[in-house]
Amino acid sequence: AQKVTQAQTEISVVEKEDVTLDCVYETRDTTYYLFWYKQPPSGELVFLIRRNSFDEQNEISGRYSWNFQKSTSSFNFTITASQVVDSAVYFCALSPNAGNNRKLIWGLGTSLAVNP
Amino acid sequence: GAVVSQHPSWVICKSGTSVKIECRSLDFQATTMFWYRQFPKQSLMLMATSNEGSKATYEQGVEKDKFLINHASLTLSTLTVTSAHPEDSSFYICSARLYGSETQYFGPGTRLLVL
Repeated sequence: AQKVTQAQTEISVVEKEDVTLDCVYETRDTTYYLFWYKQPPSGELVFLIRRNSFDEQNEISGRYSWNFQKSTSSFNFTITASQVVDSAVYFCALSPNAGNNRKLIWGLGTSLAVNP
Repeated sequence: GAVVSQHPSWVICKSGTSVKIECRSLDFQATTMFWYRQFPKQSLMLMATSNEGSKATYEQGVEKDKFLINHASLTLSTLTVTSAHPEDSSFYICSARLYGSETQYFGPGTRLLVL
């Protein structure tokens, strides 16, 4: 089965706190891609990162960092020194190697509220 | 780069009318476009996948005669909600993907309200 689980439905933090959003995936494919998207209140989905299954290096982009662990099938996302503008719903998604047109399998999303 | 536009951003219509939503890739050619529907506080639900010049592939449970998709060029796909009813009210989002790329880039979405 192909599945993405974001166990945290809602997270609330105070500005400047660090926060980690969890993502656990299931797939039998050896080649696949993982994504994170941000959906602010305006509704538009913003692409944050893509990671292929052969690249387990962690990535840092400014205050954002991602930890990919194949051993635990997790692709967690950390925001350091959170800001109010980080308030959004964050989706983790999986693109398995098989299947038509590389459809994305989505998690249910984590709603992050960063309070001043 | 990788900008996708959607038009209109908001539409309010009467029950029984048809509504057309356009999705354009502005700075790249999209061989594949996807149409999603999203209800409040829920994840995205894929409705259909369309490849340029061919018929769309609909997900199970999505009525193809209700949601007409046309992908006439490498930069434009349209979704027409025919004979709209209040239960069709939702947030519709398109995405576009360049051939050979794994990343979908999303439009800003269209909020449809059927009265």
